[in-house]
Amino acid sequence: RKEVEQDPGPFNVPEGATVAFNCTYSNSASQSFFWYRQDCRKEPKLLMSVYSSGNEDGRFTAQLNRASQYISLLIRDSKLSDSATYLCVVDILTGGGNKLTFGTGTQLKVEL
Amino acid sequence: GAGVSQSPSNKVTEKGKDVELRCDPISGHTALYWYRQSLGQGLEFLIYFQGNSAPDKSGLPSDRFSAERTGGSVSTLTIQRTQQEDSAVYLCATKRDRGETQYFGPGTRLLVL
Repeated sequence: RKEVEQDPGPFNVPEGATVAFNCTYSNSASQSFFWYRQDCRKEPKLLMSVYSSGNEDGRFTAQLNRASQYISLLIRDSKLSDSATYLCVVDILTGGGNKLTFGTGTQLKVEL
Repeated sequence: GAGVSQSPSNKVTEKGKDVELRCDPISGHTALYWYRQSLGQGLEFLIYFQGNSAPDKSGLPSDRFSAERTGGSVSTLTIQRTQQEDSAVYLCATKRDRGETQYFGPGTRLLVL
């Protein structure tokens, strides 16, 4: 089983739609969680951290369910510019320190 | 302030040659990661340096790959006897401390002919 698993998509949605991505992780000792965004042929960039209580940043809402070991990202009122690959990232404490593990990403395409 | 920088930005080499990729981290970032991303694929973890600890090399795909980090700052990733399947974007990312987010460099696009 992969340490971090995501549905690769692509998710094709019309502009203005609400879309949700889920991500599951296998290591219950995971401590920190993030969503990154990667545009085509660009490096990944942090979208938002994910807190236990859930957090919101404009049209983006992230939630964490430790009991079920999954993380979600909700995008409301999607824009054409939201088209990208969304990477779920989990920070795991290892013997050598913390190690960020990336999912393979979920591709989103927002269409007119 | 300056972000993570990588050089070269693009590298074309012939099969069998050695290549060296460089990563300059953000000042003060103690953790440094190397990843590989093939076209249309996810990030593949290669190696991780954290301060003075022994590096986590668990992601290196073969003994042709090695990396070092001198003085806890600049890191070089070396690929010996390159193969065509080594063609990918090699990304470096650094972070300051536990729980902090990673910042990525722009990557080195390697093409092995």
